[in-house]
Amino acid sequence: QQQVKQSPQSLIVQKGGISIINCAYENTAFDYFPWYQQFPGKGPALLIAIRPDVSEKKEGRFTISFNKSAKQFSLHIMDSQPGDSATYFCAVFQGAQKLVFGQGTRLTINP
Amino acid sequence: KAGVTQTPRYLIKTRGQQVTLSCSPISGHRSVSWYQQTPGQGLQFLFEYFSETQRNKGNFPGRFSGRQFSNSRSEMNVSTLELGDSALYLCASRRLGGADTQYFGPGTRLTVL
Repeated sequence: QQQVKQSPQSLIVQKGGISIINCAYENTAFDYFPWYQQFPGKGPALLIAIRPDVSEKKEGRFTISFNKSAKQFSLHIMDSQPGDSATYFCAVFQGAQKLVFGQGTRLTINP
Repeated sequence: KAGVTQTPRYLIKTRGQQVTLSCSPISGHRSVSWYQQTPGQGLQFLFEYFSETQRNKGNFPGRFSGRQFSNSRSEMNVSTLELGDSALYLCASRRLGGADTQYFGPGTRLTVL
């Protein structure tokens, strides 16, 4: 069963623009929502994460917006740079259980 | 602090063979999880070990197995390799067993011919 749906699959943004990636989940028991960034040939690296008791978390140019009632969360990348070009994965985590990942979004920032 | 290390980084095997992959977690981390990444299926959870005990297991056949040693290092074994086992195998570690930040290694790229 697919517990996390991520969109879009690919995204092209101009340098300086805002990149937005969305995820929707099914199980309300999840209690940790991380976003990972992966460059070719590398393992995923934690970018930013949020817990369901807050609606927004900002770290530098990266912001997670969380809507508990809609069971959705999104990643916003402000002032997108060519170095942000990578694949981004949302994930959900429940207590001591496993991370369940979205299908990934390939982000390309055009200079 | 050193990150998660995985060996080998690349591996080529033929169908029917078996393979063992190794993972050294971040110092002090007691939980090690393994994931398989393929273009078609994305990132899928294989299993997790915590304090030498398998705590969670994903939906993979019994050909996939693992273990964890007392120093938290972990190994993953795949027997009777199939072409579909070609993938990037990722190891991730975290300090405790709860909803804690999980850090990934660079992965082992396995190609089955």
